Order: sequence, then C-alpha cells, then structure tokens
Amino acid sequence: AQSVAQPEDQVNVAEGNPLTVKCTYSVSGNPYLFWYVQYPNRGLQFLLKYITGDNLVKGSYGFEAEFNKSQTSFHLKKPSALVSDSALYFCAVSHRNTDKLIFGTGTRLQVFP
Amino acid sequence: NAGVTQTPKFQVLKTGQSMTLQCAQDMNHEYMSWYRQDPGMGLRLIHYSVGAGITDQGEVPNGYNVSRSTTEDFPLRLLSAAPSQTSVYFCASSYSGDTQYFGPGTRLTVL
Repeated sequence: AQSVAQPEDQVNVAEGNPLTVKCTYSVSGNPYLFWYVQYPNRGLQFLLKYITGDNLVKGSYGFEAEFNKSQTSFHLKKPSALVSDSALYFCAVSHRNTDKLIFGTGTRLQVFP
Repeated sequence: NAGVTQTPKFQVLKTGQSMTLQCAQDMNHEYMSWYRQDPGMGLRLIHYSVGAGITDQGEVPNGYNVSRSTTEDFPLRLLSAAPSQTSVYFCASSYSGDTQYFGPGTRLTVL
C-alpha cells in the first residue's frame, strides 16, 4: 500500500538555526512529491514539488527539499528559520498515473525567538 | 482569479441532517477533489473528479456524494450527517498531473 510517513509530530528550532522536517514515502514507481504548509485556520499552501531532474528542489519562502531515491525520502529544509515559519507542514505524494494525493500526518514546526 | 472558493466557512449540523458543501474554481482545472482533515491523520481523499461528468471514490467515501456537472463546481453532499463526519473539509483543484491548489476549508461540526 502507498503511504507517507512524517516521523516527527513536532519540530522545535531556534530562530536563525537550520531546520529539517522529515518525510519518507512508500510508493511504487517514480512518484511526484510535494510539501504544503498550513497556517492556523487556513487552507494548505503549496511550497514545492519534485517531479524529475535535480534532486534538490527550491521552493517558496526560502524552503528547499532533497529527494533521495535510495532512502525514499523527501526532507524539507531551510538554512535559517524564522518565527513566521511556525506552522503545520504536510508531505504528500502522488503516483505519476494519478492525481490522487496521499498525505503524511503532518509535522508542527515551532520556531522560537 | 479567486482561485478555489468554499462555502460555508463554518457549519453546525444535527445528526441525520443533510447539507451540501460548495466548492468552485475559476482556473479551468480539470481535476477537483475533496479531502477531510482530522487531528493526527493528515488529509484523506473523499472523492475526486477528472472532469465534468466524471467522479470517483477516494479513500474515505462512505456517507458522502459528489457530482460534477460543470468544470467550475464540485459540491460535496452529506446525506445523513453523523458525528464521525465532524472534520475540516478542503476542496482542491489542478490541471491533470500538476500542483493541486486548496480552498480555505469548511469546518463542520455534527452534534
């Protein structure tokens, strides 16, 4: 069965420090991979995606993610966290033959001043 | 462009009542979908549509109906609401094979 795992319910980081939010997936073939962010009482906002090509994908607000096929991972990273980055982050995957997204359970990022 | 819009923002129902959650998009996207978000469970796909007149079930379709008579609209119907349907509902749309864009959500409480 296809699945996405976000092993950390919450990640705490000090402002200015680098951050990583982890995501691993189990999908047959070569999937599309996405990161979305959700601010309180808001919908999901698209951050970045991996379709093909360079394993390092750059997205909105200074975020980037690294696709690692051998480890089936797609971790979200940012070199220097901001307090305003505090939100709920979702990793999602879809098979190339379908638009159906499978989401992880989400990771709450808390950036402390 | 208004993007993806959803109405209402909030709704309280009694068990057994029916209602329709509205979703519209003005981007001419073929693909539209409904998800529910529950604490600790991420988002789960309820129903989806690849174009007008075509719908299919997602992961958690029971208790919900959909139809797609136009490209723009994709309403979600709760036939007989149950407390287990208390959730936040999100509609999304995209071109096929492209990034999905989400609406602001509808927070539904079933008493």
